Amino acid sequence: NAGVTQTPKFQVLKTGQSMTLQCAQDMNHEYMYWYRQDPGMGLRLIHYSVGEGTTAKGEVPDGYNVSRLKKQNFLLGLESAAPSQTSVYFCASSRTGEGSPLHFGNGTRLTVT
Amino acid sequence: GESVGLHLPTLSVQEGDNSIINCAYSNSASDYFIWYKQESGKGPQFIIDIRSNMDKRQGQRVTVLLNKTVKHLSLQIAATQPGDSAVYFCAENITPPGSARQLTFGSGTQLTVLP
Repeated sequence: NAGVTQTPKFQVLKTGQSMTLQCAQDMNHEYMYWYRQDPGMGLRLIHYSVGEGTTAKGEVPDGYNVSRLKKQNFLLGLESAAPSQTSVYFCASSRTGEGSPLHFGNGTRLTVT
Repeated sequence: GESVGLHLPTLSVQEGDNSIINCAYSNSASDYFIWYKQESGKGPQFIIDIRSNMDKRQGQRVTVLLNKTVKHLSLQIAATQPGDSAVYFCAENITPPGSARQLTFGSGTQLTVLP
């Protein structure tokens, strides 16, 4: 049982480049999330989805877009990368949004130069 | 305990001793809380959760205590082992205005187990 799988594990971009971070879960969870983690700080929610075909903004959505075309996949896009987006990105899923723990992937380390 | 900022709180304990990690949460309406463990280079791993209608919950070698009066959460680890060295996060389940329920994380506490 793989749980939550993120690809790639590492990525280096130049300012202005675009890319998509991939996330897949095999637990048939309804909710999926994208967080970013910066040194010495907790995780901050970028976007989330409460089901296939739905997305919503979190705490720090600017500069990112997401899509949930299939229940098991949640994609995070950066249209024009900026150095401020250098961070570690974590995808997570949960069975429901209430009283259900999140299961995390192992992260994507993104550096924007 | 945990706090917002660039400097991660740290806790060092001797192997075999008990560890207590503290967390102050912000929203008195939060009704679900979780502790996560994060090892270097990995994603956060679920440890234990507690609902607001409980004061205490025990797992294997871990206990979570909830004091709603002072909005305080603690994680107790019994007989701390080297493998317990990690960053520990508390998270509270809140509902921001106009949004669905979501978890908000503290900044974490670095636990180091000394031989």
